[in-house]
Amino acid sequence: QSALTQPASVSGSPGQSITISCTGTSSDVGGYNYVSWYQQHPGKAPKLMIYDVSNRPSGVSNRFSGSKSGNTASLTISGLQAEDEADYYCSSYTSSSGVFGGGTKLTVL
Amino acid sequence: QVQLVQSGAEVKKPGASVKVSCKASGYTFTSYDINWVRQATGQGLEWMGWMNPNSGNTGYAQKFQGRVTMTRNTSISTAYMELSSLRSEDTAVYYCARVHYGDWYFDLWGRGTLVTVSS
Repeated sequence: QSALTQPASVSGSPGQSITISCTGTSSDVGGYNYVSWYQQHPGKAPKLMIYDVSNRPSGVSNRFSGSKSGNTASLTISGLQAEDEADYYCSSYTSSSGVFGGGTKLTVL
Repeated sequence: QVQLVQSGAEVKKPGASVKVSCKASGYTFTSYDINWVRQATGQGLEWMGWMNPNSGNTGYAQKFQGRVTMTRNTSISTAYMELSSLRSEDTAVYYCARVHYGDWYFDLWGRGTLVTVSS
């Protein structure tokens, strides 16, 4: 199973909005509404930010939102803050297994 | 509180096996799948497989088929991941993570176990 495709890096200034894409195929992202997003700070375990394409777990800021169109899912972070600087990973279900994206490093300028 | 506590760091020689444990607390261990994910230094997340603690059923990523075994001991709410025939490329942090039945997202993660493979 090939990894999902994410941009290696994105950046934005405080207060701005950014979007991270996650491209797969009809066998994973496009075939199921089981896309999730994770935030990982250096030396820490990943943290769930979005599940089932667009749902936010309790405690996650509403500045984080998710969507999907065809084989591409997206994570949007609005009102960027310094603490949003981290690595972000998407994940999808695919026929009894899972797959992650390669990760995107978000830099807050 | 609700958490997954993993065993400590390991150093292994090439060709050896390693067994990492993941103890669940604060929730009903048999009500959620346990998945294992690894991350080499500076690299991305890599899904390894899942286990249903209730039935013991498992599913492994094709890359690890034949080398990984996921088991559990329900009496102590602990899941295990054993990886055999270790090579230097297996050096990584290994995470256990909880997944809701019938869904696919990892809502609770262990802190990770560093496995170093070196001669």
